[in-house]
Amino acid sequence: KNQVEQSPQSLIILEGKNCTLQCNYTVSPFSNLRWYKQDTGRGPVSLTIMTFSENTKSNGRYTATLDADTKQSSLHITASQLSDSASYICVVSAADSWGKFQFGAGTQVVVTP
Amino acid sequence: DTGVSQDPRHKITKRGQNVTFRCDPISEHNRLYWYRQTLGQGPEFLTYFQNEAQLEKSRLLSDRFSAERPKGSFSTLEIQRTEQGDSAMYLCASSTQTENTEAFFGQGTRLTVV
Repeated sequence: KNQVEQSPQSLIILEGKNCTLQCNYTVSPFSNLRWYKQDTGRGPVSLTIMTFSENTKSNGRYTATLDADTKQSSLHITASQLSDSASYICVVSAADSWGKFQFGAGTQVVVTP
Repeated sequence: DTGVSQDPRHKITKRGQNVTFRCDPISEHNRLYWYRQTLGQGPEFLTYFQNEAQLEKSRLLSDRFSAERPKGSFSTLEIQRTEQGDSAMYLCASSTQTENTEAFFGQGTRLTVV
């Protein structure tokens, strides 16, 4: 069973609207959680990295939250743009093997005009 | 340095042939990672190196797969006797060895086994 689960699997939003993606994980002991953006056919690009003590981190219009107690994270996209169309992947590292990233399956976001 | 570089970007091979991919990490990064991604899925861990030492290897990496990083700089991933199930995107990433540091990915090598 995957230790990182993401929802929804996909979503379509209108340009200018906001959306929130969810990530639940069971990876333990926890080291850090990352969100990546991956365009089709390209490598993932880092958006945020959060450790146990961080609850929120922003990168432009992207804001990630982390609740390490409930093992949940979210990625909020504000005022979506057409260029936000991509797969967003949640990645968790364990403290005893932090070099080995556990990837979720990703949420495919499509922003329409 | 413009980031992590992978070569080739695309590779089509016949079943049973051997293939080798190359990854050049960001120059000051001593950690290098290999991942495999199939369509619609997140990347799966294959292996990672710290300098020239291979620190961890997934059981996904069967005997047909071998990775090397002989001088602690570039790395190669070889697949012997390719099978159709090996068709995937092979991603390389690099980072420093500091925990919680950012890992940078290359553009990947798309392998198609026909």
